[in-house]
Amino acid sequence: GIQVEQSPPDLILQEGANSTLRCNFSDSVNNLQWFHQNPWGQLINLFYIPSGTKQNGRLSATTVATERYSLLYISSSQTTDSGVYFCAGSQGNLIFGKGTKLSVKP
Amino acid sequence: GAVVSQHPSWVICKSGTSVKIECRSLDFQATTMFWYRQFPKQSLMLMATSNEGSKATYEQGVEKDKFLINHASLTLSTLTVTSAHPEDSSFYICSATRTGTEAFFGQGTRLTVV
Repeated sequence: GIQVEQSPPDLILQEGANSTLRCNFSDSVNNLQWFHQNPWGQLINLFYIPSGTKQNGRLSATTVATERYSLLYISSSQTTDSGVYFCAGSQGNLIFGKGTKLSVKP
Repeated sequence: GAVVSQHPSWVICKSGTSVKIECRSLDFQATTMFWYRQFPKQSLMLMATSNEGSKATYEQGVEKDKFLINHASLTLSTLTVTSAHPEDSSFYICSATRTGTEAFFGQGTRLTVV
């Protein structure tokens, strides 16, 4: 099956800063999603983005399918953005990376 | 987005008993449902994939007799942890999807076996 690598594993930001999270895939995928896991464990869907670029408020994501990576951009970070961000790719079954733990300090 | 409801949110059971977790897609018909397990501070590990009306496909290393999965309809899948032991304590999350589209996740179930 595919391997999903996320970087960085941990990220500490000052409120207001911008950040980029990266996700690399070992093989091509036909589905790619980004999630935010809240403190209660709920996975919040951020983007469904097999290719191209999407934006939703302060968040945007870009997937370059031919090069097997995806980026999640967070601009003007807020303390409420803290948590774990996962990307997951699929050739059939959705496989998760290990996540990036983001801490935004006031 | 679509809504997936998982029940219960948490459960405490005695060692040796069985626990059933339900996963329902509330506003769409899910061709496929997935079950994941997550240990503290770790990622989600896929346990099994289930399609309506057929047997679940288990990932390597997951005991199919321990974790019984039933996908009786296009909106309901259940995971039964049989003869639970403390090492089965974990966070279990289901997801539902239509083939080739976005997956949506339930709230998760925190299982504690005492």
